[in-house]
Amino acid sequence: DAGVIQSPRHEVTEMGQEVTLRCKPISGHDYLFWYRQTMMRGLELLIYFNNNVPIDDSGMPEDRFSAKMPNASFSTLKIQPSEPRDSAVYFCASTKGLRGVGSNQPQHFGDGTRLSIL
Amino acid sequence: EDQVTQSPEALRLQEGESSSLNCSYTVSGLRGLFWYRQDPGKGPEFLFTLYSAGEEKEKERLKATLTKKESFLHITAPKPADSATYLCAVRLVDSGYALNFGKGTSLLVTP
Repeated sequence: DAGVIQSPRHEVTEMGQEVTLRCKPISGHDYLFWYRQTMMRGLELLIYFNNNVPIDDSGMPEDRFSAKMPNASFSTLKIQPSEPRDSAVYFCASTKGLRGVGSNQPQHFGDGTRLSIL
Repeated sequence: EDQVTQSPEALRLQEGESSSLNCSYTVSGLRGLFWYRQDPGKGPEFLFTLYSAGEEKEKERLKATLTKKESFLHITAPKPADSATYLCAVRLVDSGYALNFGKGTSLLVTP
């Protein structure tokens, strides 16, 4: 089975440019998560969706960041304008939400996008 | 203040030298505690979920245990292939499906 697919794997761009990160979750999963990982702060949740609807965006650092999920098989994370402090590895993860016993389904991660803002 | 703290930050073991990694959490209302393994350049890979104090899970050379405020990942007779960063995360009753991760323990097993 295909896992979570992220693109691009690496992105290098100049400060001020718009950056778009893409994610395809595992088929059948109804939750999608965007994380950011840095040495200083570790892995931080930015936003997550359920059935394409944003549920919790409290981790989005500021208005320069936006995320969309137009359908069940695609999500984007945009940064506009980008700044050097946005440099990090961005991960997408997905899971199937269940109720009751077994509700703690694990999140499955993609291999991330390494973003460098010069 | 971090809600999830992992120790040590880094650990170097000789092949066959057993040890334990610690994950402690200060929050209440735990719905689940997760262990992940992360290799360089890869996303975290799921290992275990623990739900309640006293629970244990095993997989090959790894065993995870949970008490009221901490979890241990025991590594028995490790091999170089076990070298990775091990992350723990907590899911809380009032945080929906959000996971709060610790900063991880970087494990190096030398031959």
